[in-house]
Amino acid sequence: GAVVSQHPSRVICKSGTSVKIECRSLDFQATTMFWYRQFPKQSLMLMATSNEGSKATYEQGVEKDKFLINHASLTLSTLTVTSAHPEDSSFYICSARDYLSYEQYFGPGTRLTVT
Amino acid sequence: KQEVTQIPAALSVPEGENLVLNCSFTDSAIYNLQWFRQDPGKGLTSLLLIQSSQREQTSGRLNASLDKSSGRSTLYIAASQPGDSATYLCAVRPPGSSASKIIFGSGTRLSIRP
Repeated sequence: GAVVSQHPSRVICKSGTSVKIECRSLDFQATTMFWYRQFPKQSLMLMATSNEGSKATYEQGVEKDKFLINHASLTLSTLTVTSAHPEDSSFYICSARDYLSYEQYFGPGTRLTVT
Repeated sequence: KQEVTQIPAALSVPEGENLVLNCSFTDSAIYNLQWFRQDPGKGLTSLLLIQSSQREQTSGRLNASLDKSSGRSTLYIAASQPGDSATYLCAVRPPGSSASKIIFGSGTRLSIRP
């Protein structure tokens, strides 16, 4: 089956630094990838939609200058949390949509802790 | 605006029982509905996907039903096992195409007691 990987699975960083999270579709091509954020005991909230080779579309209330998204290839999207603050601590999940089947597959998530 | 609600937020039952998880959505016009499982600190695993033209889907001990007119879906788990303990998320895809954005419910945290 289709697999989406995320790296790293866990990251701890200091306040003010930037962190990059990678999302890869391992056995399919994804023209569209999605980034979600999940707080403890809450559901997934869509942050942005990234399309290969173009700018990401951000949901209302999500700062595009703080959460930089790059989707440079059909198998890789990155989310960079810039100038991270403790309130950015969360579980970030990416999802990739197979460009042939339109099925959407989810990654295992990245736990970000900002100290 | 489509909203997805799952009740109860948490459920604990003894092993072996059959159980039903509920999902409701405010706009009956959907493309499809999907049930996911999420283990603590992990990503999502798709369990069942029901297209808008379907009324139910089954996979092993799981059966999901869809009643669009009432805006409801249920996930039935038969003969529950401790390994079924997880958070179950219901998600709907609005109409338009398979490309429209998924909207998630808040989930039901299920605990199966041995």
